[in-house]
Amino acid sequence: DAGITQSPRHKVTETGTPVTLRCHQTENHRYMYWYRQDPGHGLRLIHYSYGVKDTDKGEVSDGYSVSRSKTEDFLLTLESATSSQTSVYFCAIRGTGVSGNTIYFGEGSWLTVV
Amino acid sequence: AQTVTQSQPEMSVQEAETVTLSCTYDTSESDYYLFWYKQPPSRQMILVIRQEAYKQQNATENRFSVNFQKAAKSFSLKISDSQLGDAAMYFCAYRSLIIQGAQKLVFGQGTRLTINP
Repeated sequence: DAGITQSPRHKVTETGTPVTLRCHQTENHRYMYWYRQDPGHGLRLIHYSYGVKDTDKGEVSDGYSVSRSKTEDFLLTLESATSSQTSVYFCAIRGTGVSGNTIYFGEGSWLTVV
Repeated sequence: AQTVTQSQPEMSVQEAETVTLSCTYDTSESDYYLFWYKQPPSRQMILVIRQEAYKQQNATENRFSVNFQKAAKSFSLKISDSQLGDAAMYFCAYRSLIIQGAQKLVFGQGTRLTINP
């Protein structure tokens, strides 16, 4: 258990509405990530953070923005949700110490855009 | 760019038997990490095993072991004494370094493992 909590765990929203997913961690990890998972694909990186207010794009960042105003929270925002953003979203952290080369995942957030 | 390929979309095995899941990858790096993650129906991503490329010894975690062939860029997962709880999607992943110490995982497409009682 890497101390990651995602919210909401399930959400149904309408096309064109804004949506924010929250990732909260309790162990002061520096590095945090947002991935999405779609059928036929493993997880793909959306955005990541390497510190407070330090974020960058991953490979599938179009249509998403992120913010990290404090260490424990990493927010993923869909400014105007589209059906192609229906997916399972995973937050992740990079471990520390002997686990510093390992990434651990939260339980996932199911988002359906109708 | 690194790529990871899992050529077996589905595998099945009898309970208590051994099964091997295949993974190949492409990279120009010499130092890297490889992982197997398990995703049961709950969809949680669970780390199964990790291999450091600089270590020649294959990693082992209880009934799970890997066959790491660096020159061939092959990283297979062997599950011994298969149990019903091993049924899941298994993903092979390659760790790539990005900026400021951040890491990125590149995933294969996954192999769905079924355990037959």
